Amino acid sequence: EDQVTQSPEALRLQEGESSSLNCSYTVSGLRGLFWYRQDPGKGPEFLFTLYSAGEEKEKERLKATLTKKESFLHITAPKPEDSATYLCAVQVNDHAGNMLTFGGGTRLMVKP
Amino acid sequence: KAGVTQTPRYLIKTRGQQVTLSCSPISGHRSVSWYQQTPGQGLQFLFEYFSETQRNKGNFPGRFSGRQFSNSRSEMNVSTLELGDSALYLCASSGQGSTGELFFGEGSRLTVL
Repeated sequence: EDQVTQSPEALRLQEGESSSLNCSYTVSGLRGLFWYRQDPGKGPEFLFTLYSAGEEKEKERLKATLTKKESFLHITAPKPEDSATYLCAVQVNDHAGNMLTFGGGTRLMVKP
Repeated sequence: KAGVTQTPRYLIKTRGQQVTLSCSPISGHRSVSWYQQTPGQGLQFLFEYFSETQRNKGNFPGRFSGRQFSNSRSEMNVSTLELGDSALYLCASSGQGSTGELFFGEGSRLTVL
């Protein structure tokens, strides 16, 4: 069974304090790993797709990396507007289409 | 370009009733997926439709069903509601290919009393 585990469940940072969120996965065959951001009362918003170990993607203060067993979302000098729940998801080779298995998320709070 | 629209946004039902939720995808998107989000289980995949055909199905009982129309709009139905069906139901659409890049609506929040 495909499993995605995110840690920590919650993270409090001061503005400017860099940190990393972890997503570990156990799947039969990885087709892609995704990061989404979800604000309260909203649906998740796509951030990144990673396909193979060693790949990195960047967007503003966020950088996502991928290894064969886990992915990290690095947040550099975060701002209060980065506060949200960050979700990791995997897409596997066994399933055609857009079926994703999500982790439980990391709730990030950035204080000014 | 309009985003994914879900209706209704909020609804309250009682146990044993049934409910139908609607989703209008982004124009041109042919794939529509449904997810259930709860505090305890997180986001769980329900099903995906592509060109009016169910392409994938998650591990939910048969009380949960869906369909897609020729204009790509989708509905999901839950029959014989249980307290545990209280959740945020999210619809997501996707464009060409199976990239996994999903565009989510704001969800329909269902409360079962």
